[in-house]
Amino acid sequence: QAVVTQEPSLTVSPGGTVTLTCGSSTGAVTSGHHPYWFQQKPGQAPRTLIYDTNNKHSWTPARFSGSLLGGKAALTLSGAQPEDEAEFYCLLSYSGGWVFGGGTKLTVL
Amino acid sequence: QVQLVQSGAEVKKPGASVKVSCKASGYTFTSYSMHWVRQAPGQRLEWMGWINGANGNTKYSQKFQGRVTITRDTSASTVYMELSSLRSEDTAVYYCARDATTVDWGQGTLVTVSS
Repeated sequence: QAVVTQEPSLTVSPGGTVTLTCGSSTGAVTSGHHPYWFQQKPGQAPRTLIYDTNNKHSWTPARFSGSLLGGKAALTLSGAQPEDEAEFYCLLSYSGGWVFGGGTKLTVL
Repeated sequence: QVQLVQSGAEVKKPGASVKVSCKASGYTFTSYSMHWVRQAPGQRLEWMGWINGANGNTKYSQKFQGRVTITRDTSASTVYMELSSLRSEDTAVYYCARDATTVDWGQGTLVTVSS
């Protein structure tokens, strides 16, 4: 089974920009993996932020964007706000099913 | 709007089975597949398997193969996930997630396995 990797933790200053990445042990991440990004705050269910690489949900703030970058899926936050502090998970689809990354704990400090 | 409402928290003893339900509304039930995902305390999200909403075909993660069964009742617009031979490591929040373009999540069901 594929392994999906994310940075365990990142810190960004308020108003700053940060990029989270999502890699696959099988090779480059492509649009065929239909990358998703979810935000999860303590005690809450995950919430979809980005689907199919770069599409935003109706509730996704404009400061979040998704892309493919250097063979990985990427989530960029431009203009971080205190309320963006959360765990972020990526999800890739394979023929065998879904595989989640280990999550990135984002601190806004 | 789409709603996925899961059954309530469960406490089970090791070796027992648990069956969690996920009642869907706000869309055509048979048009979408449903996944089950779990999250142990402080751990990552973990995919367990999914069921095709149209024909009931299933696919399970190798990790849970033989222990998990996902079924559906189209008349009740409900999907079920049954996990057997429970052990303490199965203590987790279990989520259903609709396989739509955007992925919609249930609220989660806490299953505690303890003697």
